[in-house]
Amino acid sequence: SQQGEEDPQALSIQEGENATMNCSYKTSINNLQWYRQNSGRGLVHLILIRSNEREKHSGRLRVTLDTSKKSSSLLITASRAADTASYFCATVTTDSWGKLQFGAGTQVVVTP
Amino acid sequence: DTGVSQNPRHKITKRGQNVTFRCDPISEHNRLYWYRQTLGQGPEFLTYFQNEAQLEKSRLLSDRFSAERPKGSFSTLEIQRTEQGDSAMYLCASSPRQLSYNEQFFGPGTRLTVL
Repeated sequence: SQQGEEDPQALSIQEGENATMNCSYKTSINNLQWYRQNSGRGLVHLILIRSNEREKHSGRLRVTLDTSKKSSSLLITASRAADTASYFCATVTTDSWGKLQFGAGTQVVVTP
Repeated sequence: DTGVSQNPRHKITKRGQNVTFRCDPISEHNRLYWYRQTLGQGPEFLTYFQNEAQLEKSRLLSDRFSAERPKGSFSTLEIQRTEQGDSAMYLCASSPRQLSYNEQFFGPGTRLTVL
């Protein structure tokens, strides 16, 4: 079973626009991670936010975490065609040996 | 390239045959994970190794599945008597042992098609 659910399932935007996707999860977490997957490169880690953090930035990425609502959001600013991919959130619980529990993902298409 | 490697990249087999996949993690990463991903879904956890010890197995891993990491380096995942429902992408990931759980580094995956 999937721990997280992403919303929306699919997103289509033009280059230069911002893309926002959300993730909800069910149980208490140690950290939440976002990964990108495209056919050429497989799953790539983007950013990790720990349960005691509320916001993190990495380049054009901004992640927020609200543990009271069990939700997270990923914002990609000034999107590029190369950002076209599927984006997954994945949670890690404290007693889980670090295993990732993924959501179903958001498919993002950025058109030039 | 010192990333995670997986072989083969693609495997087509007939129902009932056995298949074996190999994963070579990043050297010195003592944590190794196997996941399975079907079309349109996120990866699902299968099993976890810390060095050579298999510490957790998902209920998804039926008796037909077996995984090993004999010397704490590479790992193999074997599926016996394959079924069409086993068709999926099998992903391997590794991470270093640290006090807290951090990112995992994924290999390109092995795509299995069972006819």
